Amino acid sequence: DAGVIQSPRHEVTEMGQEVTLRCKPISGHDYLFWYRQTMMRGLELLIYFNNNVPIDDSGMPEDRFSAKMPNASFSTLKIQPSEPRDSAVYFCASTSLTGEYPNTGELFFGEGSRLTVL
Amino acid sequence: AQSVTQPDIHITVSEGASLELRCNYSYGATPYLFWYVQSPGQGLQLLLKYFSGDTLVQGIKGFEAEFKRSQSSFNLRKPSVHWSDAAEYFCAVGPGTYKYIFGTGTRLKVLA
Repeated sequence: DAGVIQSPRHEVTEMGQEVTLRCKPISGHDYLFWYRQTMMRGLELLIYFNNNVPIDDSGMPEDRFSAKMPNASFSTLKIQPSEPRDSAVYFCASTSLTGEYPNTGELFFGEGSRLTVL
Repeated sequence: AQSVTQPDIHITVSEGASLELRCNYSYGATPYLFWYVQSPGQGLQLLLKYFSGDTLVQGIKGFEAEFKRSQSSFNLRKPSVHWSDAAEYFCAVGPGTYKYIFGTGTRLKVLA
């Protein structure tokens, strides 16, 4: 399996621009998570999906952030407009908890998207 | 509420020395517990996990961890550290209500 695939790996943009981060989870996984990692706050859960449905978005910092999962193999995290304080590494992770082949609950992480907002 | 505490932000050990990284958790039921390792610029890789059975679990790269329910701890150990083990280590608990809670991480430095 190719693992969780994220793109882009690096994004540099200017304040006010729209940013879209993409994630392809592992095939067959029914849960997808978006995390943000910063030095100050560590790993923060932003939102997670179950079978493409957003379940808990209480970690999304504000309305500038939105996430979608139009199908089982693709998710996006969008920031509009972006601000310098959004600079961080954004991770996508997936797992299978209740699907046909549940694993033992570990999260499988992508390599992250490093966002720099100038 | 679920929480994970890693009391050591930084640890420095000499190559060949033993290592123990501490992790304490707060959870309402028997947790699933995980240790992940993150090398610079990389994602998080699973080292080992505990969900039931034997409280001493073996992982990759020669790591092991012991679940102690009475102490709410899940400490990570390695008998002899290699320079390539320098990284950041995260303890996590989940999936309670399908959320995973991560500790703040311990950054390991290995001296040659």
